[in-house]
Amino acid sequence: GNSVTQMEGPVTLSEEAFLTINCTYTATGYPSLFWYVQYPGEGLQLLLKATKADDKGSNKGFEATYRKETTSFHLEKGSVQVSDSAVYFCALSDQGASKIIFGSGTRLSIRP
Amino acid sequence: ETGVTQTPRHLVMGMTNKKSLKCEQHLGHNAMYWYKQSAKKPLELMFVYSLEERVENNSVPSRFSPECPNSSHLFLHLHTLQPEDSALYLCASSQDLDRVNTEAFFGQGTRLTVV
Repeated sequence: GNSVTQMEGPVTLSEEAFLTINCTYTATGYPSLFWYVQYPGEGLQLLLKATKADDKGSNKGFEATYRKETTSFHLEKGSVQVSDSAVYFCALSDQGASKIIFGSGTRLSIRP
Repeated sequence: ETGVTQTPRHLVMGMTNKKSLKCEQHLGHNAMYWYKQSAKKPLELMFVYSLEERVENNSVPSRFSPECPNSSHLFLHLHTLQPEDSALYLCASSQDLDRVNTEAFFGQGTRLTVV
């Protein structure tokens, strides 16, 4: 079956550091891939998505590229800010929103 | 302003109480969902509704009872809950149930504490 594996947290970085949160997936079809972010005390918000191989999703300085050959969708940001402190979820779906599979989440903390 | 609104944001209830969580979406979506988010556990999909019909019930105990009176509103009725039911309950919606490439839009959640 389909699955998502993302790096264990928590991840702690200093402000302006480079961020990578790894995400790999297993899927039998051609899924869409998503990164969601959950700020403290809030629900999940879609951060970015990619719907086919080699697509790059980007938003708020974050980027992720759909790599079919390595079945990966790693999240990157060149210079993180304290306001980026949140939990980040990688997710996939190949059958629509009712079948979204979420990773376990990675907590990110940014030190001033 | 989020397109999916949940009330209340916080709820404390005793094990013998009956309460309801409310979700309203202003996006014109046809599908709505209830998720449970517990500490140190993956997101759990509880119920799925499409055009007001329940299409999925993921082995959720009967003390949780969903209701979808129309495509914009979703309720979760709670009764005789247990302390382990304390969690963040998230409502979500999507344009359709099975359209590929469609994401889910989440509300801010209701933080439920059962005492």
